Amino acid sequence: EAGVTQSPTHLIKTRGQQATLRCSPISGHTSVYWYQQALGLGLQFLLWYDEGEERNRGNFPPRFSGRQFPNYSSELNVNALELEDSALYLCASSLGGVTGTDTQYFGPGTRLTVL
Amino acid sequence: AQKVTQAQTEISVVEKEDVTLDCVYETRDTTYYLFWYKQPPSGELVFLIRRNSFDEQNEISGRYSWNFQKSTSSFNFTITASQVVDSAVYFCALSEALSGGGADGLTFGKGTHLIIQP
Repeated sequence: EAGVTQSPTHLIKTRGQQATLRCSPISGHTSVYWYQQALGLGLQFLLWYDEGEERNRGNFPPRFSGRQFPNYSSELNVNALELEDSALYLCASSLGGVTGTDTQYFGPGTRLTVL
Repeated sequence: AQKVTQAQTEISVVEKEDVTLDCVYETRDTTYYLFWYKQPPSGELVFLIRRNSFDEQNEISGRYSWNFQKSTSSFNFTITASQVVDSAVYFCALSEALSGGGADGLTFGKGTHLIIQP
């Protein structure tokens, strides 16, 4: 069974540009989570999608946004990139549901570098 | 607010030694879930275990064992007879069920970098 996949593996952008990161969940999973792992800041929750809807978001500005498609894959968009957005972005999927407490399985991540 | 503390930033041991990674959590919910993940140098977080707050039974899986104690709000992880392949960053995480569930996603500790020397 295929795990969570993410693309691209690496992404290099310049300040002010927009970045789009993609995630495909494990088959049968309806929830997708996004996390940011920045140096010195640890793993921080960004967004949670379930059944195509945004269920909640972490303490990040509105320029971090995303969506979930009918096939449950997801996209994370980061607008007006800033240097501090450089980080590993991890996507996770789970079986879903309103509690959001099912085990989350993570993808390999996208390394975003902002120059 | 929920919080996870992994006080050990880095641990270095020689292969075949036993090693315990500490995790202390804070939550106001009575129903919650605790997790351990492993992050090798490749970056992908690998799920190791999930435990709910009503199940204090310790668990052993091969060389891995977990000690959950609600009285001390701890969920420690022990590797016996460590191997070089165990070298990674290990994260403890918490998810609360009643306060909106996945509303805050997983709350992670800062991680413990485990180095197993040959």
